[in-house]
Amino acid sequence: NAGVTQTPKFQVLKTGQSMTLQCAQDMNHNSMYWYRQDPGMGLRLIYYSASEGTTDKGEVPNGYNVSRLNKREFSLRLESAAPSQTSVYFCASSEYGQGVSPLHFGNGTRLTVT
Amino acid sequence: DQQVKQNSPSLSVQEGRISILNCDYTNSMFDYFLWYKKYPAEGPTFLISISSIKDKNEDGRFTVFLNKSAKHLSLHIVPSQPGDSAVYFCAASYSGGSNYKLTFGKGTLLTVNP
Repeated sequence: NAGVTQTPKFQVLKTGQSMTLQCAQDMNHNSMYWYRQDPGMGLRLIYYSASEGTTDKGEVPNGYNVSRLNKREFSLRLESAAPSQTSVYFCASSEYGQGVSPLHFGNGTRLTVT
Repeated sequence: DQQVKQNSPSLSVQEGRISILNCDYTNSMFDYFLWYKKYPAEGPTFLISISSIKDKNEDGRFTVFLNKSAKHLSLHIVPSQPGDSAVYFCAASYSGGSNYKLTFGKGTLLTVNP
């Protein structure tokens, strides 16, 4: 039982390049989320998927797109990376909504955009 | 507008003593509160939660206290152990709004000295 698995662990991009962060969970959770963590800013929600087939914007969605591929997988895409997107990205899942059931986080992807 | 505030960026405690981490919130609609712990290079892990119908919840060495009138909650760790050294995030949500939006504080770095 791996929980939430994120790939890659580290990535360096040049400004304007694109990439997709992958996330998969094996807990049969309904909801999945993408957060970013920046120094002094805590965790901020980028996008979430309440259930398979649905996605919605969070607090900081600009510059990102997501795909809920199936119940297990939720990917985050940066179409044209910018230095402001340098951050640590966490994928998370929960059985129900994050407000009432705890989040289970992956170990993060550390992204640097030069 | 920071709705969940952790005003102490860091806290240092001796092993065996009590650690008290504080969290204030401004949104009186919040009715569910959680604490997450994060070690370096890992994702946050759920620690303990409390509903607004309670004023205390206990789980082993961890106790969360909620003072609704003061819009304040605290996490007590007794006794503190070196393995408790981590960043602690307070988070809050309200059932009347979207279940998928959890608001995090910026975190408090706890260091437990042997």
